[in-house]
Amino acid sequence: DSGVTQTPKHLITATGQRVTLRCSPRSGDLSVYWYQQSLDQGLQFLIQYYNGEERAKGNILERFSAQQFPDLHSELNLSSLELGDSALYFCASSPSGRAYEQYFGPGTRLTVT
Amino acid sequence: AQTVTQSQPEMSVQEAETVTLSCTYDTSESDYYLFWYKQPPSRQMILVIRQEAYKQQNATENRFSVNFQKAAKSFSLKISDSQLGDAAMYFCALIGANSKLTFGKGITLSVRP
Repeated sequence: DSGVTQTPKHLITATGQRVTLRCSPRSGDLSVYWYQQSLDQGLQFLIQYYNGEERAKGNILERFSAQQFPDLHSELNLSSLELGDSALYFCASSPSGRAYEQYFGPGTRLTVT
Repeated sequence: AQTVTQSQPEMSVQEAETVTLSCTYDTSESDYYLFWYKQPPSRQMILVIRQEAYKQQNATENRFSVNFQKAAKSFSLKISDSQLGDAAMYFCALIGANSKLTFGKGITLSVRP
């Protein structure tokens, strides 16, 4: 158990819908990262937040957005969903200044039908 | 930009034997970290081993060791005394100053009893 929690574990929704994925980092970790794992794109970095502020951005679509709240949990919002958005979404967290020490959550499996 | 290449999609090893998984990478940074992650059927991302680029000594974690060739930008993982529980997908990854983990496409390792 990494100490990072993600909810829900599974999500099934229809095209055009909007969903929110939630992540709670390890106690004390200020940084949260989101990754997408799909058959087409493999594992890719989406976005990083540090203490509520966006810190780094990867190949995140404009239909996707994220935020980190004062209690440090983070949410990834996916809108206008397409079949190709079906993937496993991971959240990871790391201690301040130690991005090389990322702990991954169990992931949320999103299926868009 | 940084890239990670795993050219072998799958490998097989006999239980108790040794297997080496290959990885090459490219980065313009001088300070970076390299990783091997294991992803079993549960889909959890598990850190196997980490190597700091400026450390010449190869990292070792029990039955897992790496061969880090900085000039050649090569980072292979050796698994000794392979066990059935080692069967999984393995990802090579790199992180630099931008805090973005870049992953290879992964290799599926099967272990024959």
